[in-house]
This record gives sequence, structure tokens and C-alpha cells, in this order.
Amino acid sequence: SQQGEEDPQALSIQEGENATMNCSYKTSINNLQWYRQNSGRGLVHLILIRSNEREKHSGRLRVTLDTSKKSSSLLITASRAADTASYFCATNVAQGAQKLVFGQGTRLTINP
Amino acid sequence: NAGVTQTPKFQVLKTGQSMTLQCAQDMNHEYMSWYRQDPGMGLRLIHYSVGAGITDQGEVPNGYNVSRSTTEDFPLRLLSAAPSQTSVYFCASSYSGSPAHPTRGGYTFGSGTRLTVV
Repeated sequence: SQQGEEDPQALSIQEGENATMNCSYKTSINNLQWYRQNSGRGLVHLILIRSNEREKHSGRLRVTLDTSKKSSSLLITASRAADTASYFCATNVAQGAQKLVFGQGTRLTINP
Repeated sequence: NAGVTQTPKFQVLKTGQSMTLQCAQDMNHEYMSWYRQDPGMGLRLIHYSVGAGITDQGEVPNGYNVSRSTTEDFPLRLLSAAPSQTSVYFCASSYSGSPAHPTRGGYTFGSGTRLTVV
């Protein structure tokens, strides 16, 4: 069964706009991670946020985590055409086990 | 570093055939995992390993075997291929324990093996 559920399933915006994707999960987690997948390629790790953290930044990425609501969001600011990809959240439900459970992903399209 | 290397990139099998998907990493990662990706299903964990000699089942292990005789290699064996195993398979590896660096805890993925069973 899927732990994470991304919303929306697909998002299309203009270049330069901000893109926000949401992830909800069901059980307690150790950490939550976001990955990007370009078409036909493997996944690339973007950012990890631990269960005791509420917000994390990395370049144009901002991730928030609300453990009380079991949800996370990924914000990409000033989007670029190269950001077009699928984005997945993944939850690590066990301490140190790195057994990740992925959601179904959000397909992001940046229009020039 | 080559990262995570998967071979082959593409494979067509007939129902009932067996084969091994190869995965190797050169980053001295303790953790390795196999996922399959199907349209609309995201990635599902097949098997994973926390170190050489230690493996465990994931969400969808039936029809697959793994072994981890070395830190570097984590092959996935399809015992008797079925059309339901048509998928894209990804191998991934990572460090163990609590990550000290923001990116240390993430998995490094291979480029995938696209398998078709006819």
C-alpha cells in the first residue's frame, strides 16, 4: 500500500512562477524525502527533512513538514523549464532502516 | 565514482524465463534496495538490504530473489518471468544511520532496467 499521496497529480505553470506540491502520509515517520525524476531517468534526491524539523531550504526549494497533519509540501520558487519532471515524496518509517515508501508523484510541467 | 550502475538497460523475456538484473555501486553504501515503477503506481519496494549478507522483503517480493554477498553488488533474480512483472526496475543505495549531511540520507538511484515479459 502507498504511504504517501501527492497532490496534485499534475501541475502546469508558466516559467518564473512558483510551484507547490503536497504530500500526505499515514503513519509516523523518521524522515521524509523528496525526489525528482526526469522522463525516462532514475530518481534524484532533492532534500530530506527529519521528523523533528518543520522547514528546510535548499536553493530554490523549500520543504515544510507538519507531523500533526501528517503532511509535507515542496515549493519550487522561480520555476524554470528544466524543472519539468515528476516529483515524489518518500517516507522513511523506521529509524535507520532507510526503507522508503514512495507516493505516486506529481507531474510538473513548466511552460516557457 | 560511477554511482549506481544497472545492467541491462532493456530486456525482453518470454513467460517462464529467468534472468538476473545486475546492480553495483561504488560509494561504499550499506543500504541497497530494488524498486519497480509502474504507471500510476509510483515506486514499490521489492527487496532491500542493510548490509552484506542481510536482505529482507519489501512490499512486493513475490517472484523475486535477492542476495548480497558483497557491499557493492545487489542482484535481483526473476525466477519465472510473468507478464505482471513487466515494469521499470530501479536499484538504489544509501548510507546507513542518521544522516549528518542534508543529502547524506537520500538514496542514489540507478538509471533503471526496462523489462518486458511477453
